[in-house]
Amino acid sequence: QKEVEQDPGPLSVPEGAIVSLNCTYSNSAFQYFMWYRQYSRKGPELLMYTYSSGNKEDGRFTAQVDKSSKYISLFIRDSQPSDSATYLCAIFNMDSNYQLIWGAGTKLIIKP
Amino acid sequence: NAGVMQNPRHLVRRRGQEARLRCSPMKGHSHVYWYRQLPEEGLKFMVYLQKENIIDESGMPKERFSAEFPKEGPSILRIQQVVRGDSAAYFCASSEGTSNTEAFFGQGTRLTVV
Repeated sequence: QKEVEQDPGPLSVPEGAIVSLNCTYSNSAFQYFMWYRQYSRKGPELLMYTYSSGNKEDGRFTAQVDKSSKYISLFIRDSQPSDSATYLCAIFNMDSNYQLIWGAGTKLIIKP
Repeated sequence: NAGVMQNPRHLVRRRGQEARLRCSPMKGHSHVYWYRQLPEEGLKFMVYLQKENIIDESGMPKERFSAEFPKEGPSILRIQQVVRGDSAAYFCASSEGTSNTEAFFGQGTRLTVV
């Protein structure tokens, strides 16, 4: 079993829709949960991160962590064509805070 | 303040040749991380370096791969005697402190072994 599972997609939705992207993880010791956006042929760009359970909002993006079920989500409201990219979740704990464990990434396509 | 600079962006090597990938961290950053990304896969940690020191190379293959981050100049990831399976995108990230929440990624070097 992979430490972090993420559906590769692609996920195709119309412009303006609410997008839900998800990852599951296996190690309950993980503490930090991060979401990156990666455009084609570019490096990952950190969108937001959360520590422990709960929600965190930043503009149109909301990150949610449910540690009891080892499930993390990224919601995008009012999706735009410019949001089309691959979204990767990454997780780590402070015992090894430079060894990010990455999901495979979900390719998101927003249709105008 | 320029971001993390990686070069070359694309590198083609024949089997058996050496590949050298360079990473210049952001100004003021002394921590560098190298990752490898295969198609349709997430990034895999390779090595973590600070100036003149390898902190953790547990993700790097024991043979043919090496990394350095000298006092002056960029960090170098070196792959000797490349094989087709080394074809991938190699990303470098840098940070000022030790936390990944502060790390910024470069554009990557896409290595193709023919």
